Amino acid sequence: DTGVSQNPRHKITKRGQNVTFRCDPISEHNRLYWYRQTLGQGPEFLTYFQNEAQLEKSRLLSDRFSAERPKGSFSTLEIQRTEQGDSAMYLCASSLAIAADYGYTFGSGTRLTVV
Amino acid sequence: AQSVTQLDSQVPVFEEAPVELRCNYSSSVSVYLFWYVQYPNQGLQLLLKYLSGSTLVKGINGFEAEFNKSQTSFHLRKPSVHISDTAEYFCAVSAPGGGNKLTFGTGTQLKVEL
Repeated sequence: DTGVSQNPRHKITKRGQNVTFRCDPISEHNRLYWYRQTLGQGPEFLTYFQNEAQLEKSRLLSDRFSAERPKGSFSTLEIQRTEQGDSAMYLCASSLAIAADYGYTFGSGTRLTVV
Repeated sequence: AQSVTQLDSQVPVFEEAPVELRCNYSSSVSVYLFWYVQYPNQGLQLLLKYLSGSTLVKGINGFEAEFNKSQTSFHLRKPSVHISDTAEYFCAVSAPGGGNKLTFGTGTQLKVEL
């Protein structure tokens, strides 16, 4: 068990470019979450998957954002036509979908800077 | 919907002194409560959680928290802090059946000084 892995750790992009982040969860975890954390704020929920199904998306997730989890393993988060307001830390977490277990494991995040 | 308030954005404390980080929540339904710690440029690590049962919850690194339903609070305490406890601390809530998604507070920066 190597924990939740996120790549890249840092990404600098020009406004208007597309970016994609990857998250590899703990292998036996069937739930995967994406959160966004801006400077001085707590993480905000974006979306989550159970296996390959995307079960919920926050209204924070504009049409420029899309997430996938093919085959219920790793997940990708893509941001199209990036804006400066997208600059943030993007955190991925995974867990088991067992009611008694709320044991999230977070990755170290991908820090996005849009210039 | 749930919300979390962490009134103290920064808490300075001397090493070996006790500390309390405050957390209040708002919810129309019963909630689960969590404290996470975040070190610079890292993800979040779970310190402790309250799901049910005893209102005093013990976590890792000597931290504990007490759930107070009447005051809708879940304050985090440690009797004696260490320099290594310097970090950002986040309180979070989750509603049962809500996909386990978390609503976080804005965080409290704990700075332990010699």
